[in-house]
Amino acid sequence: GNSVTQMEGPVTLSEEAFLTINCTYTATGYPSLFWYVQYPGEGLQLLLKATKADDKGSNKGFEATYRKETTSFHLEKGSVQVSDSAVYFCALSDQSQAGTALIFGKGTTLSVSS
Amino acid sequence: GAVVSQHPSWVICKSGTSVKIECRSLDFQATTMFWYRQFPKQSLMLMATSNEGSKATYEQGVEKDKFLINHASLTLSTLTVTSAHPEDSSFYICSARRGATDTQYFGPGTRLTVL
Repeated sequence: GNSVTQMEGPVTLSEEAFLTINCTYTATGYPSLFWYVQYPGEGLQLLLKATKADDKGSNKGFEATYRKETTSFHLEKGSVQVSDSAVYFCALSDQSQAGTALIFGKGTTLSVSS
Repeated sequence: GAVVSQHPSWVICKSGTSVKIECRSLDFQATTMFWYRQFPKQSLMLMATSNEGSKATYEQGVEKDKFLINHASLTLSTLTVTSAHPEDSSFYICSARRGATDTQYFGPGTRLTVL
């Protein structure tokens, strides 16, 4: 079945450091890929998405490229801020099945210190 | 746009009682809503998919008689935890899908504590 694997956290960085959170997936069909972010005490928010191979999703300085050859969707940011501290979830949705819910990775906690 | 609300945001109840959680899409119509459960420091686990006007589809291992889902309108779905027990304590999160897009918009979650 479909699945998402994220790197284990927590990830601890200093402000302005480079961030990479790895995400790989297993899927049949043609999934869309997502990164969601959950700030402390809040619900999940869509950070970015990509719907087909080689698409790059970007938002708030974060980027992720849909790599079908490596079945990956790694999240990157060139310079993190303290306000980026949150839990990040990689997820996929199979477009070929209407109504299919998202399948989430386990989440990666990011802690940024000043 | 694409705001989803949940009510209540937290609830504490006694063992054996039932608790209803509401999920509303505030500025769009959602033909499909999803209910997830999140344990501390873990990912979201899909409980059920709810389509407006039809019975919910439950994931394997989720008791449909315990977790009653009603999707009576295009903007409201409810989850009722019946005869709640301490092991039902968790963070329940709903999401709504807008139109034909596969993007889901999440509610802020409901923290349930069963004493």
